[in-house]
Amino acid sequence: SYELTQPPSVSVSPGQTARITCSEYKLGSKYVSWYQQRPGQSPLLVIFEDNKRPPGIPERFSGSNSGNTATLTISGTQTMDEADYFCQSWDSDTVIFGGGTKLTVL
Amino acid sequence: QLQLQESGPGLVKPSETLSLTCSVSGRSVGSTSDYWAWIRQSPGKGLEWIGTVYSRASTYFNPSLKSRLTVSLDTSKNQFSLSLNSVTAADTAVYFCAMGTANNVFDFWGQGTLVTVAS
Repeated sequence: SYELTQPPSVSVSPGQTARITCSEYKLGSKYVSWYQQRPGQSPLLVIFEDNKRPPGIPERFSGSNSGNTATLTISGTQTMDEADYFCQSWDSDTVIFGGGTKLTVL
Repeated sequence: QLQLQESGPGLVKPSETLSLTCSVSGRSVGSTSDYWAWIRQSPGKGLEWIGTVYSRASTYFNPSLKSRLTVSLDTSKNQFSLSLNSVTAADTAVYFCAMGTANNVFDFWGQGTLVTVAS
């Protein structure tokens, strides 16, 4: 079955670059989206179609997708970016989410 | 301004049917350019897609839930709904409704509603 694998946690210091990966065989041939979820809130779309930002999402959020791995990159990470991040794609008419990565900014 | 609001019972007994409604304002659920979805999140866990409905009435369901699931649109009330039968404790989750426009992206989400399955 199709599964998206994310690291459970990533830590980064404020101002540094955070990279969160999402992996599956030939993921680069599919579109990937990324969602940010702060505690107690609903998910917020931050990247869609691999590397596009919705209106209002800061430029420090970027995405890439090639081979077997998609990556969400947060440049100049801020404390407000501390949250859970989920990747998402689809296969055979089924939407799949990654297990999520808790980003800690400290 | 687009708003999605989930509503329904917060407690459902095992073996009964979970029914939720998502009320939409700021956009028509009849729009042929949009699709509407249900997604859930068990306590402390990740996101699980439940199903998606299009204004053309076509639907796509999570294979693991398909046999228990109905998702429908009500254009007269500008709502869409979820019905999941034969629930168990494993169906306890926060249920989100969401909206998208292309490529199975979920552009906008409701705030979510917690449904607990317990006797």
